[in-house]
Amino acid sequence: KQEVTQIPAALSVPEGENLVLNCSFTDSAIYNLQWFRQDPGKGLTSLLLIQSSQREQTSGRLNASLDKSSGRSTLYIAASQPGDSATYLCAVTTDSWGKLQFGAGTQVVVTP
Amino acid sequence: EAGVTQSPTHLIKTRGQQATLRCSPISGHTSVYWYQQALGLGLQFLLWYDEGEERNRGNFPPRFSGRQFPNYSSELNVNALELEDSALYLCASSFRGVSGANVLTFGAGSRLTVL
Repeated sequence: KQEVTQIPAALSVPEGENLVLNCSFTDSAIYNLQWFRQDPGKGLTSLLLIQSSQREQTSGRLNASLDKSSGRSTLYIAASQPGDSATYLCAVTTDSWGKLQFGAGTQVVVTP
Repeated sequence: EAGVTQSPTHLIKTRGQQATLRCSPISGHTSVYWYQQALGLGLQFLLWYDEGEERNRGNFPPRFSGRQFPNYSSELNVNALELEDSALYLCASSFRGVSGANVLTFGAGSRLTVL
């Protein structure tokens, strides 16, 4: 059974620092891995999607890496801003029809 | 292009009542997924509908049910509501991606509170 773990559960950094969020999964047989952002009480916003054949994806200040063999992904957010404060969720797709297995998330607070 | 839309945004019910939540997928998407996000439990897969049929369901009791209409919109019904059904219910839709794995786009969610 696939299990997805995110460490740390919560993180607080001063504005300008780089953020490093970790995600690990137990079964390397995944189709892809996604990073989402969730603001309090809101839905999910997709940040980055990494296909199983890829090693990383970049979008602006965000960079995500994927190491399937070790079952790990890391999300880097450069030069953090207060607007980056949110919960970040990683999820792996375990079936071709798109079922997502989510981690519990990392709650990030960026202080001005 | 309109995203995935869900209604109502908030719903308050009492124990034993029934709740109905609705979801309109992105135009062109034929699959709809429902997820539950209860406090402290994370996001749990509920149901998957594709082309009008229920294709898979998560580990939830039968009082959680739904359907998909010919226009691919969907509704989720929760019967005999219990306090622990209080959660954010998220709907997502997809089309089959080029890799063969569907990529989901989520709506803003419906907050169900059971008193």
